[in-house]
Amino acid sequence: SAVISQKPSRDICQRGTSLTIQCQVDSQVTMMFWYRQQPGQSLTLIATANQGSEATYESGFVIDKFPISRPNLTFSTLTVSNMSPEDSSIYLCSAPGQSNTEAFFGQGTRLTVV
Amino acid sequence: AQSVTQLGSHVSVSEGALVLLRCNYSSSVPPYLFWYVQYPNQGLQLLLKYTTGATLVKGINGFEAEFKKSETSFHLTKPSAHMSDAAEYFCAVSDNQGGKLIFGQGTELSVKP
Repeated sequence: SAVISQKPSRDICQRGTSLTIQCQVDSQVTMMFWYRQQPGQSLTLIATANQGSEATYESGFVIDKFPISRPNLTFSTLTVSNMSPEDSSIYLCSAPGQSNTEAFFGQGTRLTVV
Repeated sequence: AQSVTQLGSHVSVSEGALVLLRCNYSSSVPPYLFWYVQYPNQGLQLLLKYTTGATLVKGINGFEAEFKKSETSFHLTKPSAHMSDAAEYFCAVSDNQGGKLIFGQGTELSVKP
């Protein structure tokens, strides 16, 4: 299995500001994934973070709002930009295990925008 | 495109009773299927997975699931519910893009004493 550390675990932010979430994996992985879990809902994939290239965004998510960095094979950041209360969610990062089939998740970042 | 449908957003069982959480999937390629559990204020924990081979897969905490291709289903079961099983359960599908998953809507399991 992969151990994934995510921080911060929670934050309360003012609207119009930005928050950067960090995700660290204990092994080198080609791809990392960022998900959003809105209150009471399931997980929706935001983007795939590829090392050495631009992130690949899913429909409905854009780079200007959710810029992603992937400086090496064990680390990624997701920034939530110009936040509004609608951005209040749990944000989770994930990475595949050694078999490259299942995904392992960080503990998530619980974001509240006021 | 792939998709997952979980039947029942909320399931309630008595302690010691059978747990059955339903999941149906749609996939144009042989799917990889997963069940995850999420306890309050925590991330997701992998319960079990099906990739290839035996269609009945066993996971942690006494859970198991059976892949039925003809029914496009991957239902999760546990013979006897425990209070500690109360959580949100998510079914997910992948086409094996290295851990990229599509999730169902989730089923909240409540266990009554």
